[in-house]
Amino acid sequence: GENVEQHPSTLSVQEGDSAVIKCTYSDSASNYFPWYKQELGKGPQLIIDIRSNVGEKKDQRIAVTLNKTAKHFSLHITETQPEDSAVYFCAAKPGGYQKVTFGTGTKLQVIP
Amino acid sequence: DTGVSQDPRHKITKRGQNVTFRCDPISEHNRLYWYRQTLGQGPEFLTYFQNEAQLEKSRLLSDRFSAERPKGSFSTLEIQRTEQGDSAMYLCASSSFIAGEASYEQYFGPGTRLTVT
Repeated sequence: GENVEQHPSTLSVQEGDSAVIKCTYSDSASNYFPWYKQELGKGPQLIIDIRSNVGEKKDQRIAVTLNKTAKHFSLHITETQPEDSAVYFCAAKPGGYQKVTFGTGTKLQVIP
Repeated sequence: DTGVSQDPRHKITKRGQNVTFRCDPISEHNRLYWYRQTLGQGPEFLTYFQNEAQLEKSRLLSDRFSAERPKGSFSTLEIQRTEQGDSAMYLCASSSFIAGEASYEQYFGPGTRLTVT
């Protein structure tokens, strides 16, 4: 089955700096890669996603990149703000199935 | 519609008791998913429904777990003879499926936190 590894597990940045979270996946059949933000006591919130036919996608301060050959994908947050502090999860889904496999999460702390 | 809702938000039960959780998906969504999340980990897939049909089940879904979606709207997840290892956050998600369109986005509810004492 799919295995998703995520690094780093914790990340502290100064407000205004950029944050980068990296993930690798194992199943070459995976074709959909969402990123979720989870705040304490809440369910995961979909913030951006990318499909395997696209190499990069951007939405305001958030961007994702995908390297299918190397089987890794990354989340980039620019101009970080204190409200970006949360746990971020990467995930992967193989084509033809609905099971989404999540990484172990990155706790991001943005220091004002 | 404000999103996926789950009830109850918290449940404390004694080992050996049965518990049932409810999930109401986003109204136009015909796919519904259950996940389990333990402390410090990402959500783990349990099962999913398309309308009333249960189409995928994880090996994590032991015989003590059963999920239903009788009318293709809300869903229930029952855990029989609870064990301390069942303590976790149980998350529900929903998505829309239209034949011929690739729509993968899953939207999560707030979860039900189960504590087994």
